[in-house]
Amino acid sequence: DSGVTQTPKHLITATGQRVTLRCSPRSGDLSVYWYQQSLDQGLQFLIQYYNGEERAKGNILERFSAQQFPDLHSELNLSSLELGDSALYFCASSPRQGLWDEQYFGPGTRLTVT
Amino acid sequence: ELKVEQNPLFLSMQEGKNYTIYCNYSTTSDRLYWYRQDPGKSLESLFVLLSNGAVKQEGRLMASLDTKARLSTLHITAAVHDLSATYFCAVARGETSGSRLTFGEGTQLTVNP
Repeated sequence: DSGVTQTPKHLITATGQRVTLRCSPRSGDLSVYWYQQSLDQGLQFLIQYYNGEERAKGNILERFSAQQFPDLHSELNLSSLELGDSALYFCASSPRQGLWDEQYFGPGTRLTVT
Repeated sequence: ELKVEQNPLFLSMQEGKNYTIYCNYSTTSDRLYWYRQDPGKSLESLFVLLSNGAVKQEGRLMASLDTKARLSTLHITAAVHDLSATYFCAVARGETSGSRLTFGEGTQLTVNP
């Protein structure tokens, strides 16, 4: 158990809908990272937040957005869902913002779009 | 753009045999990680390799890093069924204000009795 929690574990929804995935980092960690794992794209970095501010951005679609709140939990919002958005979404956390920190991964949220 | 390539992508081996998984990356790396993933589960960190020539071992797994060749290897010694999983290498790159991991495609290892 990494100490990173994600809810929900599973989510099934229809095309065109909007969902919110939630992540709580390890106690004391200030950075949160979001990754998407799909059969087509493999494991891809989406976005990083550090202490409430966006720090790095990957191939995140415009339909997706994220934020980190003052209590350091983060939410990933996915809207206008398409079948291709079906994937395992991981959150990771680290103590600081830089590359010297190891990232600890949560259990993931499996999203199924039907 | 940083690219990370693993080979083989699929590996079926018998118990007791040895094999090596290769991870090539395209640009200078700051850190390299190896992860294990069981089906439908999260990523379990196996090794962190920090510098050229680094070698780490845990049980039947040994990882090494050659930064000049931009190559890391994960060697499996005397494989057992419990090692069946997907193994990922990932390269950490720093950016102006943050960082990210870029993953290889993963190697799906099946160890047969």
